[in-house]
Amino acid sequence: EAGVAQSPRYKIIEKRQSVAFWCNPISGHATLYWYQQILGQGPKLLIQFQNNGVVDDSQLPKDRFSAERLKGVDSTLKIQPAKLEDSAVYLCASSLGVTPRADTQYFGPGTRLTVL
Amino acid sequence: DAKTTQPNSMESNEEEPVHLPCNHSTISGTDYIHWYRQLPSQGPEYVIHGLTSNVNNRMASLAIAEDRKSSTLILHRATLRDAAVYYCILREAGKLIFGQGTTLQVKP
Repeated sequence: EAGVAQSPRYKIIEKRQSVAFWCNPISGHATLYWYQQILGQGPKLLIQFQNNGVVDDSQLPKDRFSAERLKGVDSTLKIQPAKLEDSAVYLCASSLGVTPRADTQYFGPGTRLTVL
Repeated sequence: DAKTTQPNSMESNEEEPVHLPCNHSTISGTDYIHWYRQLPSQGPEYVIHGLTSNVNNRMASLAIAEDRKSSTLILHRATLRDAAVYYCILREAGKLIFGQGTTLQVKP
């Protein structure tokens, strides 16, 4: 079974530029998550989708971050404009659902973003 | 948010058992206890989870205290590949809220 795919793996940009990350979840997984992991910290949930609807985006800095999940499969996360403090690893995860029997999350390898 | 407390780091010798503790004194009756681990330069991976009873799988065992205010992840024979950050997480309303985790070093 293929895992969660993310691209690119690494990205270096200047501050105030824009960047986009792509995620392809495990086939059949209805729930998709984007996390931000700053060096030395645990992952922080940015946004959670159930199919193509947003379930939770309370931690997403909406003035600069946006995310979409068209057709309930792939997802993109965009930052515009980027700030120095956005330097982090952006992790995508997916799960079958959100009930206790279906909520095991499978993570992709992440995209390491460096903002100069 | 319900919180967990874990030691920042632990060391173990290869092929010996490892007991990773976690305190969660504010756990509610419906919170599941999840453990994930993150190997260097990888995304987190699921290890095990439970609600009230002890749980075993091929990776580890989870021992949950009777009052559910603490739990212990048990790796029965640590290998060098088990060196990782281990996160103890309370699942709330479908969300996982990661803390700092415990960095496990395994010495040959």
